[in-house]
Amino acid sequence: KAGVTQTPRYLIKTRGQQVTLSCSPISGHRSVSWYQQTPGQGLQFLFEYFSETQRNKGNFPGRFSGRQFSNSRSEMNVSTLELGDSALYLCASSTDRGRDTEAFFGQGTRLTVV
Amino acid sequence: AQSVTQLGSHVSVSEGALVLLRCNYSSSVPPYLFWYVQYPNQGLQLLLKYTSAATLVKGINGFEAEFKKSETSFHLTKPSAHMSDAAEYFCAVSNCGGSNYKLTFGKGTLLTVNP
Repeated sequence: KAGVTQTPRYLIKTRGQQVTLSCSPISGHRSVSWYQQTPGQGLQFLFEYFSETQRNKGNFPGRFSGRQFSNSRSEMNVSTLELGDSALYLCASSTDRGRDTEAFFGQGTRLTVV
Repeated sequence: AQSVTQLGSHVSVSEGALVLLRCNYSSSVPPYLFWYVQYPNQGLQLLLKYTSAATLVKGINGFEAEFKKSETSFHLTKPSAHMSDAAEYFCAVSNCGGSNYKLTFGKGTLLTVNP
């Protein structure tokens, strides 16, 4: 069974540009969540999608957005990039059968803003 | 709001020694708690989870954790450290709202294993 796939693995962007990251969940998983990981702030929740609907959103500015497609694949977009957006962005998928269900994480996309 | 606190951002042990990584939680409802491990340049992998079925939870790679409600703790242990255990470990709690997968993570503990 294939795991969660995130593309690309590495990205270098210039301040002010925008970027789109992709996440393909495990087959059959309908919930996809995104997290930002930085040395200073640790792992922070960005948003969660289920059946193409955003169900939950973290405390991030509107420059961060996402969407989910009918096949459960998800994308997140960051517009007007700032140096502070440099981070590892992790996607996680799950079956959404309860609060105790395991979230499976991808390897992440390492975004560097210069 | 639920939260977790990991005591010690860096723990160093010798190979074969006991591993103890500390996690305390804050929750107004019975918590669902998780321990994840992250190897360099990798995503997170679940080690174990507490879902109220048993207070002593056994996970992968010889790790276990004990839920202690009186101490609001969920410490991770392993009797004998191996070099391959060197990684960063995160304690997390799942929220109690409508969404199931807003995990709130601790700051992480970097485990170093010395030969």
